[in-house]
Amino acid sequence: AQSVAQPEDQVNVAEGNPLTVKCTYSVSGNPYLFWYVQYPNRGLQFLLKYITGDNLVKGSYGFEAEFNKSQTSFHLKKPSALVSDSALYFCATRGSQGNLIFGKGTKLSVKP
Amino acid sequence: DSGVTQTPKHLITATGQRVTLRCSPRSGDLSVYWYQQSLDQGLQFLIHYYNGEERAKGNILERFSAQQFPDLHSELNLSSLELGDSALYFCASSVVQGRGELFFGEGSRLTVL
Repeated sequence: AQSVAQPEDQVNVAEGNPLTVKCTYSVSGNPYLFWYVQYPNRGLQFLLKYITGDNLVKGSYGFEAEFNKSQTSFHLKKPSALVSDSALYFCATRGSQGNLIFGKGTKLSVKP
Repeated sequence: DSGVTQTPKHLITATGQRVTLRCSPRSGDLSVYWYQQSLDQGLQFLIHYYNGEERAKGNILERFSAQQFPDLHSELNLSSLELGDSALYFCASSVVQGRGELFFGEGSRLTVL
């Protein structure tokens, strides 16, 4: 069965520092991988996706993610964190039924 | 703004009652997905409709049902409500099924008292 795992419940970063939110996947066949962000009391917003091609994917709001097949990882990164990046981040993969299967989420806290 | 509209935003009801949540997908999107988000279960896939037809079922209880109408809007019906049904219910849409990203609405927060 397709699945993703987010090993960290929370990540704390100082503003201006680089941030990484980790995701590993277990997928049969070609992985379709996604990152979403959720702000309090809001819906999920799409950040970026990996379908095929370049292993470094650039997305919205300065975020990027690196697909690593050998490590089965798809970590979300940003060179310089902003306080406004504080939110809940979800990694997801396509399930066999066409739906998205989400990780448990990682709470990112960026302190001034 | 994702273009996906969900109503109502908030709903408070009593155990045993029935509610209907409504979703209007983005213009042109044929696929509608329903998800439930709760603190203990995370984001759970409930059901997927494509152009009016049910395509996939996830962890949807028998007390719950959904449909997609000819104008492509969808409704999720929750009946015989229990305290544990309190959650945020999201609708998402996509133009193609199986590959692209989903676009989520703001959700309907259901509180069962």
